Amino acid sequence: EAQVTQNPRYLITVTGKKLTVTCSQNMNHEYMSWYRQDPGLGLRQIYYSMNVEVTDKGDVPEGYKVSRKEKRNFPLILESPSPNQTSLYFCATRIDRSVSYEQYFGPGTRLTVT
Amino acid sequence: GDSVTQMEGPVTLSEEAFLTINCTYTATGYPSLFWYVQYPGEGLQLLLKATKADDKGSNKGFEATYRKETTSFHLEKGSVQVSDSAVYFCAVYGGATNKLIFGTGTLLAVQP
Repeated sequence: EAQVTQNPRYLITVTGKKLTVTCSQNMNHEYMSWYRQDPGLGLRQIYYSMNVEVTDKGDVPEGYKVSRKEKRNFPLILESPSPNQTSLYFCATRIDRSVSYEQYFGPGTRLTVT
Repeated sequence: GDSVTQMEGPVTLSEEAFLTINCTYTATGYPSLFWYVQYPGEGLQLLLKATKADDKGSNKGFEATYRKETTSFHLEKGSVQVSDSAVYFCAVYGGATNKLIFGTGTLLAVQP
């Protein structure tokens, strides 16, 4: 089954404690991306990757890091989380040569930073 | 830059009512347009899409027509069901920015 998986689905942590949210896809898609969803703001892109070892900033990259060492994985790293990073996070993938550029989303990770 | 303006919610309807959720966009060139749906506790799923002017996307009874002259992509359904209760996001992909831009989402609540 084609899917995007994220782990963990729920996480409560404290300020400053480094964490990683994993994202994995089995569709061999080149493009992967991270979004955060906040009430009244919709989804905002954090980082994206066009292919292995190629990453770039989205609209709200501050406080986040990513890496793309393998095609299937695109982890999101919060080196020193702060309460303003409390949010719902989604990983998404896309066939880079898709005519319509539709994206496929993971189930989401709800992060709370206290 | 590219942007999407979406009808604010929440929208509350009775079962079998007609639904319209307005969406207008700003983008250069010929963007692709999408509606995504997010059911409670789940991720976003593609509902429908349109890639060129006058295209009509449709799925599960929902429809939206790509109107380039009015830069709109309004979502409609003739008879909503309780199971349609969800958050609906309009999105535009513009090649110039190489990313998907989302509206703020519209919460739809359908009452029996």
